Amino acid sequence: AQSVTQPDIHITVSEGASLELRCNYSYGATPYLFWYVQSPGQGLQLLLKYFSGDTLVQGIKGFEAEFKRSQSSFNLRKPSVHWSDAAEYFCAVGLNTGGFKTIFGAGTRLFVKA
Amino acid sequence: GAGVSQSPSNKVTEKGKDVELRCDPISGHTALYWYRQSLGQGLEFLIYFQGNSAPDKSGLPSDRFSAERTGGSVSTLTIQRTQQEDSAVYLCASSYRRGGGREQYFGPGTRLTVT
Repeated sequence: AQSVTQPDIHITVSEGASLELRCNYSYGATPYLFWYVQSPGQGLQLLLKYFSGDTLVQGIKGFEAEFKRSQSSFNLRKPSVHWSDAAEYFCAVGLNTGGFKTIFGAGTRLFVKA
Repeated sequence: GAGVSQSPSNKVTEKGKDVELRCDPISGHTALYWYRQSLGQGLEFLIYFQGNSAPDKSGLPSDRFSAERTGGSVSTLTIQRTQQEDSAVYLCASSYRRGGGREQYFGPGTRLTVT
């Protein structure tokens, strides 16, 4: 069965430090891959997506993610975290199976300390 | 332009009552999704509508849950005989097939509390 794993329930980083949030998926073909962010009191917002082409994709707010087929991973990175990045981050896989179903990971909550 | 809207934003109901949650997707979006997010949890897929195709109901947790989408636009999620475990935030999202897009645009959610 298809699945999305975000192994870190929460992560704490210092402001200005680099960040990497892990995401692994289980799917037979190359899926559509997404990262969404949910800030406190806010709705979910798309950070970036991958469906083909360059495996390193750039998103909003200075985030990037790299698709590694051999590792079935799509990790999210940011070189320097800002306090406003504190939020819940969700990795998602879009499955083109006649329709288009999206499966979300359980999320990683990011805490930023001064 | 307007985003996805949901109503009500908050709903408190007594156990055993029926509730209806409404979603207005972005105009022109052909796909509409419902998810449930329990406290501190990820998004649980409930149901997916795509155009005029039969909906994918594989995520509905029980037959107390149902949803419809009228005229390919507005959707209503109905929960009958609510239980306390139904308390959660119910999120609606819509998307439009545009090349390789398909990202979802989410509404603000309806927070349901069953007492």
